[in-house]
Amino acid sequence: AQSVTQLDSHVSVSEGTPVLLRCNYSSSYSPSLFWYVQHPNKGLQLLLKYTSAATLVKGINGFEAEFKKSETSFHLTKPSAHMSDAAEYFCVVGSSASKIIFGSGTRLSIRP
Amino acid sequence: GAGVSQSPSNKVTEKGKDVELRCDPISGHTALYWYRQRLGQGLEFLIYFQGNSAPDKSGLPSDRFSAERTGESVSTLTIQRTQQEDSAVYLCASSPRTGVSNQPQHFGDGTRLSIL
Repeated sequence: AQSVTQLDSHVSVSEGTPVLLRCNYSSSYSPSLFWYVQHPNKGLQLLLKYTSAATLVKGINGFEAEFKKSETSFHLTKPSAHMSDAAEYFCVVGSSASKIIFGSGTRLSIRP
Repeated sequence: GAGVSQSPSNKVTEKGKDVELRCDPISGHTALYWYRQRLGQGLEFLIYFQGNSAPDKSGLPSDRFSAERTGESVSTLTIQRTQQEDSAVYLCASSPRTGVSNQPQHFGDGTRLSIL
């Protein structure tokens, strides 16, 4: 069985400070992991994906995530938050044996 | 290029009416997914189509919900005898390979359904 847990439902940071959105997964197989972003009234957009090539994955808009097997984590980070980063972020896990599972989402707010 | 297109973007209807939602996937994408997103919540899987295989309907919440897809093209999600709890955004996504879960999904902007 596989599952994904986003540890924070809401994260608020000041503009220009680092962003950390936490995600833990559980999978019986070597997982594929994704982060998506959803802006208001829009569909989801892929930020980045991990598929076992490299543990540090760089995505769009300056985001990156590190796959840590020992911690079963795939946290999303960005060195410096921008106002346009305010959105909902979803961590997603997939495996060869199951459908894709979405986390419950983390709402990121940016303070001026 | 064209992305996933959903129509209508908004739909308001009375309780008990039937509604039909449409999704045009990216050309050549063999996998197509439907999700429901209630206000302030995550995505709830409904159904997915993978090429010409039988669809996975395991996420459909009741027999009032059904979906069809013709080949690798348009899909329609139908909700019969709508209830107020059906109010949500319905998102469609497609991906380029059949049922391969390491492929990213490309999402439409969704249909916002409101049941009065």
